[in-house]
Amino acid sequence: AQSVTQLGSHVSVSEGALVLLRCNYSSSVPPYLFWYVQYPNQGLQLLLKYTSAATLVKGINGFEAEFKKSETSFHLTKPSAHMSDAAEYFCAVNLSNDYKLSFGAGTTVTVRA
Amino acid sequence: EAGVAQSPRYKIIEKRQSVAFWCNPISGHATLYWYQQILGQGPKLLIQFQNNGVVDDSQLPKDRFSAERLKGVDSTLKIQPAKLEDSAVYLCASSSYGNPGSEAFFGQGTRLTVV
Repeated sequence: AQSVTQLGSHVSVSEGALVLLRCNYSSSVPPYLFWYVQYPNQGLQLLLKYTSAATLVKGINGFEAEFKKSETSFHLTKPSAHMSDAAEYFCAVNLSNDYKLSFGAGTTVTVRA
Repeated sequence: EAGVAQSPRYKIIEKRQSVAFWCNPISGHATLYWYQQILGQGPKLLIQFQNNGVVDDSQLPKDRFSAERLKGVDSTLKIQPAKLEDSAVYLCASSSYGNPGSEAFFGQGTRLTVV
């Protein structure tokens, strides 16, 4: 079985501050991990993905995430938040022996001016 | 490259009525997903197709939901009869066949309100 847990349903940051969104997974086989962003009334857009190459993954819009097997984590960060980063962020996992893409509950990010 | 197309964007129906959603995936994508996203929650997989065969429908309420994928391309998701708790956004996604690391591309979704 696979599952994804996102810690914190809401995160509020000041413009220019660090954004940190937490994601932990459980899996008995090597996972493929994804971060998606969803803007209001839109579908999901891929930010970045981990597919067993480099553990530090860089994505679009200045986001990056680090895969830590020992901690079963795949946290998403951005050094300096911008107003346009206000959205909902989802962590997702797919297993190496499966094609079922499963999502966490999501984290809503608000950015304060 | 055209993205995943869904229609309609919005639908309001009364409980016990039926409704259908349509999805056209990206050309050449063998895998097609239907997700249900209830307000404040992450997307929940309803059904997954590989070409026109069902790979996973374990979370599809089969007493009222049905889905088909015609000739391995377009797909329709139907609800009959609808319940109040079916109010949600229904997302369609597609990915190329190859490996589980393939990116899934999402449509804009259909927002269903059951009153």
